[in-house]
Amino acid sequence: EPEVTQTPSHQVTQMGQEVILRCVPISNHLYFYWYRQILGQKVEFLVSFYNNEISEKSEIFDDQFSVERPDGSNFTLKIRSTKLEDSAMYFCASTPEGTQYFGPGTRLTVL
Amino acid sequence: GNSVTQMEGPVTLSEEAFLTINCTYTATGYPSLFWYVQYPGEGLQLLLKATKADDKGSNKGFEATYRKETTSFHLEKGSVQVSDSAVYFCALSVIQGAQKLVFGQGTRLTINP
Repeated sequence: EPEVTQTPSHQVTQMGQEVILRCVPISNHLYFYWYRQILGQKVEFLVSFYNNEISEKSEIFDDQFSVERPDGSNFTLKIRSTKLEDSAMYFCASTPEGTQYFGPGTRLTVL
Repeated sequence: GNSVTQMEGPVTLSEEAFLTINCTYTATGYPSLFWYVQYPGEGLQLLLKATKADDKGSNKGFEATYRKETTSFHLEKGSVQVSDSAVYFCALSVIQGAQKLVFGQGTRLTINP
């Protein structure tokens, strides 16, 4: 069964550094999402992407964040200058239209 | 705005006990409702869903019925197993726009043998 994959599984970085989190959505899906989950808290929507552009973003998704679909398969989340409070689990999801399928997540630790 | 409220956790039960995890929602429009499960160290997995009023979603012995009159989508299972220990998230999405998911705060369930 096809699944969403994410790399790396764990990323440790220094405050102020740039990080890129990678996702490979399910191949025939059209909508792509990033969510994050700070430890012990609820899962929060960051951004959705459709037809090669952002369709919606949350207040969390400020100028430090960007998303890109550089080729036909990858979907990336870039954090330009990481802050301590960016430490969280980041989940990618995709859907053809309707039910979203999640990847296993990338745990980002900012020191 | 749209929001989901789940019962406070953690919940601890003995094996074979009956489980209910309450979930209520507030939404503009007509949402689809979901339960996702997160096993220790893993990502989110869809457990079940319902897309319109009075629909019942079911999977792996879990059930939830979309109740529009009470704006609820409570998760139930008749006899839980140790392997059901996980965090359960209720969520909604509204058909318009990006269909983002709005999650409840999650309920940690522990089943003791």
